[in-house]
Amino acid sequence: TQLLEQSPQFLSIQEGENLTVYCNSSSVFSSLQWYRQEPGEGPVLLVTVVTGGEVKKLKRLTFQFGDARKDSSLHITAAQPGDTGLYLCAGVTRAGGSYIPTFGRGTSLIVHP
Amino acid sequence: KAGVTQTPRYLIKTRGQQVTLSCSPISGHRSVSWYQQTPGQGLQFLFEYFSETQRNKGNFPGRFSGRQFSNSRSEMNVSTLELGDSALYLCASSSLPGTASNYGYTFGSGTRLTVV
Repeated sequence: TQLLEQSPQFLSIQEGENLTVYCNSSSVFSSLQWYRQEPGEGPVLLVTVVTGGEVKKLKRLTFQFGDARKDSSLHITAAQPGDTGLYLCAGVTRAGGSYIPTFGRGTSLIVHP
Repeated sequence: KAGVTQTPRYLIKTRGQQVTLSCSPISGHRSVSWYQQTPGQGLQFLFEYFSETQRNKGNFPGRFSGRQFSNSRSEMNVSTLELGDSALYLCASSSLPGTASNYGYTFGSGTRLTVV
């Protein structure tokens, strides 16, 4: 059972376009993380959002955590070829004294020059 | 400081064999987790270790096992390999088990296992 649904699964756009990636769940999370993974490498953490309704900005990337802490979105403004990669959201839940991120299947983004 | 180091990077094994993968976390990080990544299922949690103890385990068969040493280095073992075990195996570290919630994991580059 996939706890986190990401959409769209694939995205192919031109440089300069804007895009939004969605991450939805029926579960409530302690926090939600976004990672980016490039081919042949492991995921790299972009941001962690903790509070319902929280909005964080990282240059051209805007991350929002839903009020109920069940969903999140990632918006990229004026995409660049360097933004190409697999974007993964991860909902963090408490388990056995630890916090375990559960990942969505990812959104594969290609930005064409 | 050095990142998370996984060895080997690539591995080809035959069905029925066993394999051991190694992970050295970031210096000072004491919590190590393992994930399996496949195109169909994405990243699936395998297990988490802290202070040489397994704290959490994902929904994988007993053929998948792991351990952690006193220096925080970790190994995972897969016995009786099946074709479906072909995947990218990722190791991730955090300073303590609870810190991953706010500070996330640092992942290694993974070991690409191909079972033929």
